[in-house]
Amino acid sequence: DAGVIQSPRHEVTEMGQEVTLRCKPISGHNSLFWYRQTMMRGLELLIYFNNNVPIDDSGMPEDRFSAKMPNASFSTLKIQPSEPRDSAVYFCASSYFLASGGGETQYFGPGTRLLVL
Amino acid sequence: KNEVEQSPQNLTAQEGEFITINCSYSVGISALHWLQQHPGGGIVSLFMLSSGKKKHGRLIATINIQEKHSSLHITASHPRDSAVYICAAPRGGGADGLTFGKGTHLIIQP
Repeated sequence: DAGVIQSPRHEVTEMGQEVTLRCKPISGHNSLFWYRQTMMRGLELLIYFNNNVPIDDSGMPEDRFSAKMPNASFSTLKIQPSEPRDSAVYFCASSYFLASGGGETQYFGPGTRLLVL
Repeated sequence: KNEVEQSPQNLTAQEGEFITINCSYSVGISALHWLQQHPGGGIVSLFMLSSGKKKHGRLIATINIQEKHSSLHITASHPRDSAVYICAAPRGGGADGLTFGKGTHLIIQP
């Protein structure tokens, strides 16, 4: 298995531009998570999906951020318009969630390093 | 919402030393996660445990559910163990997105 795939790996853009980050989860996984890592705040959850449905988006910082999961094998995180404070590493992770269970190992993608100038 | 505290934040040790990293959380959980982040930035899941102890090679993770506390131990530490170790717990306690500790930056010197 190729693991969780993220693209692009690096993105440099100018303030005000639209940024789209992409994620392909591990085949068969039914939960997908978007996390952001900064020096100041560490790792934090932005949003997660279960069976393509957003379950908790309380970590999405503001309306400039949106996430979609149109099918089980693809998700996007969009920032429009981007601002310098959005500069961070954005990780996507996936897992197989069992309703009867209490949590499953999350597999992280390599991350997208975003720099907004 | 779960709060996760980790200590120490930084740890430098000599090769061969026994390493302990501690983690405490505020809300009862289904399982606690230990992650490793190497200088290149990739994050790898080391353990997910809900009770007792798990061992993988030289790494051992323990958890005390009643005290809401977990420890990660490294025996016979090696320079290649140098990394950031992160403790994480489900935000709401169940199977959902994670809340992370601030991480322990470990350096093992030869």
